[in-house]
Amino acid sequence: QVQLVQSGADVKKPGASVKVSCKTSGYTFTSYYMHWVRQAPGQGLEWMGWINPNSGGTNYAQKFQGRVTMTRDTSISTANMELSRLRSDDTAVYYCARTKYSSSSVDYWGQGTLVTVSS
Amino acid sequence: QSVLTQPPSVSGAPGQRVTISCTGSSSNIGAGYDVHWYQQLPGTAPKLLIYGYSNRPSGVPDRFSGSKSGTSASLAITGLQAEDEADYYCQSYDSSLSGSVFGTGTKVSVL
Repeated sequence: QVQLVQSGADVKKPGASVKVSCKTSGYTFTSYYMHWVRQAPGQGLEWMGWINPNSGGTNYAQKFQGRVTMTRDTSISTANMELSRLRSDDTAVYYCARTKYSSSSVDYWGQGTLVTVSS
Repeated sequence: QSVLTQPPSVSGAPGQRVTISCTGSSSNIGAGYDVHWYQQLPGTAPKLLIYGYSNRPSGVPDRFSGSKSGTSASLAITGLQAEDEADYYCQSYDSSLSGSVFGTGTKVSVL
């Protein structure tokens, strides 16, 4: 069965960077896009961008360009999202989410990773 | 703020029908890009309810249906049940942003 298992919760200080990983199993990793979506406490879903695990190509939301880097390691079927220059308003649950094409619907989600930014 | 606008909340009695609107523009829904709908229960990841405006994945009850008209899309829930209390989000692609966008979200309450 398809599984997306994310790394655990993390606490960071303002100005630091955080890296969240998403280990996949149960399907061909390079055949599906991987998106990252975040949700601040009590707020809605916010799309951050995607990576094409086959080519390594990325597309980031304008809001995060310059601060986010999405990578993949095909040898271990894992996608990563690194966000730098963290601020308190980056405190959120971060989800990885799989789609067949870049604008397709998300059919599988990771369990979410809470990142807390606090001094 | 999102480019896809939803009402903050809707409510209905058990068995009633409720609809959630998702209002976009000519650069997303109006341009013909697909709209997808998700249900999010508290403390859990979203779950796909409708894809491509009106298609239901396997396992989603036919009480849930989607439609589109012009620059808006709608999700209808008929025969409302207590278990339908959740947050609902629409999603589409926006050509001016060159990326995906989510709606502002709607909380459904069962009275």
